[in-house]
Amino acid sequence: DAGVTQSPTHLIKTRGQHVTLRCSPISGHKSVSWYQQVLGQGPQFIFQYYEKEERGRGNFPDRFSARQFPNYSSELNVNALLLGDSALYLCASSSNPTGIPYEQYFGPGTRLTVT
Amino acid sequence: DQQVKQNSPSLSVQEGRISILNCDYTNSMFDYFLWYKKYPAEGPTFLISISSIKDKNEDGRFTVFLNKSAKHLSLHIVPSQPGDSAVYFCAASAAGNTPLVFGKGTRLSVIA
Repeated sequence: DAGVTQSPTHLIKTRGQHVTLRCSPISGHKSVSWYQQVLGQGPQFIFQYYEKEERGRGNFPDRFSARQFPNYSSELNVNALLLGDSALYLCASSSNPTGIPYEQYFGPGTRLTVT
Repeated sequence: DQQVKQNSPSLSVQEGRISILNCDYTNSMFDYFLWYKKYPAEGPTFLISISSIKDKNEDGRFTVFLNKSAKHLSLHIVPSQPGDSAVYFCAASAAGNTPLVFGKGTRLSVIA
């Protein structure tokens, strides 16, 4: 079975531009979460979607948005890019976002560089 | 304000010896804890977890210990192998719809 897939692998953008990152969860998983990992830090929660509805949002500005599609894949959009948005963006899927156990399975990430 | 802390940025251990990675948390609502391993250019890989109703969980060479009164958990790897060299993240969540909160990670180097 395929794991979580993300595209693109790497991306270079200029300040002020817009970016869209994509994620396909593990087959059968209905929950997708997005995390940002800057160098030297642990992943930081951005969004969680379950059954196409937003279930949680981290402490990120409104420039960040996301959505989940009927096939449970997801997009993360970032507008008006800043240099500080340069990071590894991770997508994680899980079968159910509530209860225990609550293991999330991560994709390889998209490395975004803003110049 | 970090709710999950991994105070050792790096750890070096000889092959065959025990590796002990530590993690502290401040939020008493956390009741589920996970360890992830991350290699360069890959996403974090789930390793082992523990619920707050337990104080120990074992899976092969990996054992996680939880001390709720001290708000402390540790990951023991024995025996350590060179392939264990990676960054290890401690993460926590509360029951219900809450996301994972990660520590900054500890880079483990296992020397042959």
